[in-house]
Amino acid sequence: DQQVKQNSPSLSVQEGRISILNCDYTNSMFDYFLWYKKYPAEGPTFLISISSIKDKNEDGRFTVFLNKSAKHLSLHIVPSQPGDSAVYFCAAGSSNTGKLIFGQGTTLQVKP
Amino acid sequence: EPEVTQTPSHQVTQMGQEVILRCVPISNHLYFYWYRQILGQKVEFLVSFYNNEISEKSEIFDDQFSVERPDGSNFTLKIRSTKLEDSAMYFCASSAQASSYNEQFFGPGTRLTVL
Repeated sequence: DQQVKQNSPSLSVQEGRISILNCDYTNSMFDYFLWYKKYPAEGPTFLISISSIKDKNEDGRFTVFLNKSAKHLSLHIVPSQPGDSAVYFCAAGSSNTGKLIFGQGTTLQVKP
Repeated sequence: EPEVTQTPSHQVTQMGQEVILRCVPISNHLYFYWYRQILGQKVEFLVSFYNNEISEKSEIFDDQFSVERPDGSNFTLKIRSTKLEDSAMYFCASSAQASSYNEQFFGPGTRLTVL
C-alpha cells in the first residue's frame, strides 16, 4: 500500500535553519492531511493539519503546504531546534472516514 | 492535558496464546482506533469503533482480532491466537469526531512480542 509516501528516510539540518519534510500521495479521495511527530517509546503526537481546500496552514514555527495538482505536501519547520529531532509521519484521510493512511516516516536530526 | 493511556507497555507471549491490549481513551472522545507498526514499517490502520460497533476495519483485522469497550473507560484489542507476525507496536487512538478532519490522539503504544 503506497498511497502515502515519504521518500526521504532521514534528514539532517543545522539548528536555526529550515527543515523541509516532503510527502506524496496517490489517492485523489484524500481531503485531509496531517503531520505527526514521534519520539522513541512514545505514540505519534499531532503537529499540524491541512484541508484540501487550502494550500497552506501555519502554526508557529510549523507550516504545511499542499499542492493538490502534484499530490504533494511539505512540512516546513523554521527555525529548527534540537528538540525537533524526531520521526515525522505524514498521514492522509477522507472526510467520510476516520481511517488515517500513514507514510513511512522521515527521521529529522537537528544538530546544535 | 488529557491523554490516551495504554497497558501494558510491553507484552511477551507464546505463539497461539491469547492477548488483550488495553487502552483508556480521552474521556470525552467517542471514536476509538487501533493501529499497529511492525518494526521498520509504516503505521497501519486496524480498526475504528464507535457506539459499541466497529465502524471500519482493514484487511489485517481478521477473525483473530476483536475489539470491545467493556465499560465506560476501557477499549481493548484482543488477539485470539497470536502468530509470530503479530509482533508489533500497537497504538490506540481516540478522537472527538469520526472524520479524519479531527485530530486523533495516540497512546504511547504496547509492544507485543510473540515468541
